[in-house]
Amino acid sequence: GQGVEQPDNLMSVEGTFARVNCTYSTSGFNGLSWYQQREGHAPVFLSYVVLDGLKDSGHFSTFLSRSNGYSYLLLTELQIKDSASYLCAVTGGYKVVFGSGTRLLVSP
Amino acid sequence: EAAVTQSPRNKVAVTGGKVTLSCNQTNNHNNMYWYRQDTGHGLRLIHYSYGAGSTEKGDIPDGYKASRPSQENFSLILELATPSQTSVYFCASGDELGGYAEQFFGPGTRLTVL
Repeated sequence: GQGVEQPDNLMSVEGTFARVNCTYSTSGFNGLSWYQQREGHAPVFLSYVVLDGLKDSGHFSTFLSRSNGYSYLLLTELQIKDSASYLCAVTGGYKVVFGSGTRLLVSP
Repeated sequence: EAAVTQSPRNKVAVTGGKVTLSCNQTNNHNNMYWYRQDTGHGLRLIHYSYGAGSTEKGDIPDGYKASRPSQENFSLILELATPSQTSVYFCASGDELGGYAEQFFGPGTRLTVL
């Protein structure tokens, strides 16, 4: 079977960091994507990882461990405008399976 | 210039009525997708297409049909709408080189079936 799990909510403070976790169990794996979705808007692509390890993209970094079925999205130097939902999506074959998203709230 | 557009943006339909949701993309992508998004379920794949003339079933195709008459256009059809199909529907496109990793989403259609 296939499943992508994310915590529902996450809170952090402006200027600090937030780590959004994603665990998955899929019959096939080509890669893992992260999307940002603001309330009432469409998802926007952030990052795609296929290899284990940390991929540093500045404000957004992503980590992947294929053997553990685990990834995280790391946001550093948080701003209030980073408050949004973050979706994890696993690609296996033709299929893309999305998690239900983590709602991040950044407070002053 | 928006690359993926959807129409209508909002729709109220009656149970048993026919609903057609339209999607247009100017990315020249071969692959197009229809998802619905409901609280607690995330994005779920309804139908997808590899190119003009092709449609494939996704994870939750029951009650939906799809049509891809051209590279640019992909429609989702609800022949007999039911209240359980009340949701937000997103269309997306993606290219083959990027695989299915990066999808470009339309703004969404909010459908209410009474």
